[in-house]
Amino acid sequence: GAVVSQHPSWVICKSGTSVKIECRSLDFQATTMFWYRQFPKQSLMLMATSNEGSKATYEQGVEKDKFLINHASLTLSTLTVTSAHPEDSSFYICSARMATTNYGYTFGSGTRLTVV
Amino acid sequence: GQNIDQPTEMTATEGAIVQINCTYQTSGFNGLFWYQQHAGEAPTFLSYNVLDGLEEKGRFSSFLSRSKGYSYLLLKELQMKDSASYLCAVRIQAGTALIFGKGTTLSVSS
Repeated sequence: GAVVSQHPSWVICKSGTSVKIECRSLDFQATTMFWYRQFPKQSLMLMATSNEGSKATYEQGVEKDKFLINHASLTLSTLTVTSAHPEDSSFYICSARMATTNYGYTFGSGTRLTVV
Repeated sequence: GQNIDQPTEMTATEGAIVQINCTYQTSGFNGLFWYQQHAGEAPTFLSYNVLDGLEEKGRFSSFLSRSKGYSYLLLKELQMKDSASYLCAVRIQAGTALIFGKGTTLSVSS
């Protein structure tokens, strides 16, 4: 089946530093990847949509200069949280859309980010 | 804006049947999804409905009524491992991201 590998699984960083999260589609080409954020006991909130080779589309209220998304190839998308602050601590999940099925949305395993 | 509502919490006992409801008011509709999520893990796909009616998949079934903006997930023969959060999600347009409800935390006791 379709697999999306996301890493790191968890990361602790100091305030002011940057953190990069990677998502790779292992056995299919992901033309579109979606990045979500999930706070404790809340649902997944869409942050941005990235299409291979083009700029990401950010949801209202998400700072594009703070959350840098790169989708340089059909199998890799990255999210960089720049100048992280404690309020950025959250669970970040990517999701890749498979073009071959109408319901093929595969999620990565998530990254727990803690900013101290 | 988009609105997807689910109950926050539900409890049930092993072997029972539980129905989790979801209502939605969205600017478009191109399918409704149900996912299961255990704490600290990624969601896993359970079911997909785009036409009215019932989709059955083993112990899990999902129903959709587009005219009522309503869906439910039915879980039969509940097991302890079914304790998890169940997320209802709507796709507004083909190929776009899923918009999630807040999820329903189901606790199954023996």
